[in-house]
Amino acid sequence: GNSVTQMEGPVTLSEEAFLTINCTYTATGYPSLFWYVQYPGEGLQLLLKATKADDKGSNKGFEATYRKETTSFHLEKGSVQVSDSAVYFCALIRSNFGNEKLTFGTGTRLTIIP
Amino acid sequence: NAGVTQTPKFRILKIGQSMTLQCTQDMNHNYMYWYRQDPGMGLKLIYYSVGAGITDKGEVPNGYNVSRSTTEDFPLRLELAAPSQTSVYFCASSYGEYQETQYFGPGTRLLVL
Repeated sequence: GNSVTQMEGPVTLSEEAFLTINCTYTATGYPSLFWYVQYPGEGLQLLLKATKADDKGSNKGFEATYRKETTSFHLEKGSVQVSDSAVYFCALIRSNFGNEKLTFGTGTRLTIIP
Repeated sequence: NAGVTQTPKFRILKIGQSMTLQCTQDMNHNYMYWYRQDPGMGLKLIYYSVGAGITDKGEVPNGYNVSRSTTEDFPLRLELAAPSQTSVYFCASSYGEYQETQYFGPGTRLLVL
């Protein structure tokens, strides 16, 4: 079945540091890939997505590239801010299969210190 | 625009008690979902609905029931609460067929003692 593996947290970085959160997946077919973010006290919200190989999703300074050859969708940001402190979830869905549902990774907690 | 709202935010139950977690969305979404999130684990789908009057089981439905009498509301019922149901519960909704962008509520933290 489908699965998503994320790097274990928590991750603590200083403000303005470079961020990478690793995500790899297992799925047959051609999944769509997502990063969701959960800020403290809030529900998850979509951060970015990519629906085919070599697509790059981007939002709020975050980027992730869909790499089919390495089955990866790593999240990156060049200069993090304190406001980026949150839990980040990688997820996939095989859009070309009817009735499929999102498969989530375990989440990575990110803390940015001033 | 409130989005997806959930009540209560936190609840403590005794073993064997029952309760209903409420979920309401005001975006006129057809699809609604209930997930649970255990510590160190990803979200697991409990039940989902593709429209009023239609519900189906997800990955971990045992011990739960749902109903969908309106487009807006999707309550989750716990019967005979067990310690294994201690978790954070998220309700979500989406518009599209492939459920690509889901909108989540803030969650309900449930403790069963």
